[in-house]
Amino acid sequence: EAGVVQSPRYKIIEKKQPVAFWCNPISGHNTLYWYRQNLGQGPELLIRYENEEAVDDSQLPKDRFSAERLKGVDSTLKIQPAELGDSAVYLCASSPGGTPDNEQFFGPGTRLTVL
Amino acid sequence: SQKIEQNSEALNIQEGKTATLTCNYTNYSPAYLQWYRQDPGRGPVFLLLIRENEKEKRKERLKVTFDTTLKQSLFHITASQPADSATYLCALDHGGATNKLIFGTGTLLAVQP
Repeated sequence: EAGVVQSPRYKIIEKKQPVAFWCNPISGHNTLYWYRQNLGQGPELLIRYENEEAVDDSQLPKDRFSAERLKGVDSTLKIQPAELGDSAVYLCASSPGGTPDNEQFFGPGTRLTVL
Repeated sequence: SQKIEQNSEALNIQEGKTATLTCNYTNYSPAYLQWYRQDPGRGPVFLLLIRENEKEKRKERLKVTFDTTLKQSLFHITASQPADSATYLCALDHGGATNKLIFGTGTLLAVQP
């Protein structure tokens, strides 16, 4: 079974530039998460989708971050414009259900460096 | 304020010994607690889930305990091997209607041969 796929794996951009990350979850998983992980920290939830609907985006900085999950499968996370403080690893995860008793399956992440 | 604390210092142990990692939390009342393993450059991998009404859960060489009175979970790896070297993250459910997991900062375990 294929795992969660993310691309790109690495991205280096200048500040104020836009950037987008793509995620393909495990087939059949209705719940999709985007996390940000800073160095030496645990993942922090940015947004959670149930199918196409964003059910928790309270931690997403909406002035510069946006996300979409068209057709309830793939998802894209965008930052525009990027700031130096956005340098981090962006992780996508999926699970069969959205309750906390479901294990989450993580992708390898996209390491973003903003110069 | 709400906090999840894991040993910030790396844990170094000798191969064959039991590793014990701690996860303490304050101002949460989680119904579930999960443990994940993360290797450098990779995403976390799920290991075990324990419910609030379970005192202990085992899976092969892994054991997790959950003490809701002490607000603490302990994660044990018996007969540790160098391949167990990684960062271990605990995560607990935020509770309420949000259904989201809150992760600790992780503990780096190094098993020396």
